[in-house]
Amino acid sequence: KAGVTQTPRYLIKTRGQQVTLSCSPISGHRSVSWYQQTPGQGLQFLFEYFSETQRNKGNFPGRFSGRQFSNSRSEMNVSTLELGDSALYLCASSPEPSSLRTGELFFGEGSRLTVL
Amino acid sequence: DAKTTQPNSMESNEEEPVHLPCNHSTISGTDYIHWYRQLPSQGPEYVIHGLTSNVNNRMASLAIAEDRKSSTLILHRATLRDAAVYYCILRALTGTASKLTFGTGTRLQVTL
Repeated sequence: KAGVTQTPRYLIKTRGQQVTLSCSPISGHRSVSWYQQTPGQGLQFLFEYFSETQRNKGNFPGRFSGRQFSNSRSEMNVSTLELGDSALYLCASSPEPSSLRTGELFFGEGSRLTVL
Repeated sequence: DAKTTQPNSMESNEEEPVHLPCNHSTISGTDYIHWYRQLPSQGPEYVIHGLTSNVNNRMASLAIAEDRKSSTLILHRATLRDAAVYYCILRALTGTASKLTFGTGTRLQVTL
């Protein structure tokens, strides 16, 4: 069974640009969560999607947005990039929304974004 | 949101048990305690979780204090493959969604 797939794995952008990251969950998983990981702040929750609806959102500015498609694939977008947005962006999937189960999340390997 | 506190780093010898502590003094009654670990250049990997009772699985054991203000992840016999950053996470079930609060993580070094 294929794991969580994130694309692209690495990318470089300049300040002011925007970026779109993609996440394909494990087959059959309908919940997708996004996280930002930086050396200074560690792992921080961005948002969670289930059935194309955002279920929860972390404390990030409106420049960070996401969506989920009917096939459960998800994308996140960061507009007007800042240097501080350089981070590893991780996606995790689970069969059900996290409000209904307390089991494990399956993480992808992440997309490493560098903003110059 | 409830926070967790972990030591920045710990060391262990191979084949010896490792006890990784986590403090969560502001935990609420419905917060589950999860542990994940992250190997270099990989996403986090689930280890174990629990609510009130101690838990065991093939990877580790989780000991939860009676007042739930702290917990300990126990690796019974550390191997070189266990060298990773270990995160203690609280999962709060709030309404229709849950919020995740990550700890700072403990970097575990395992030596021969």
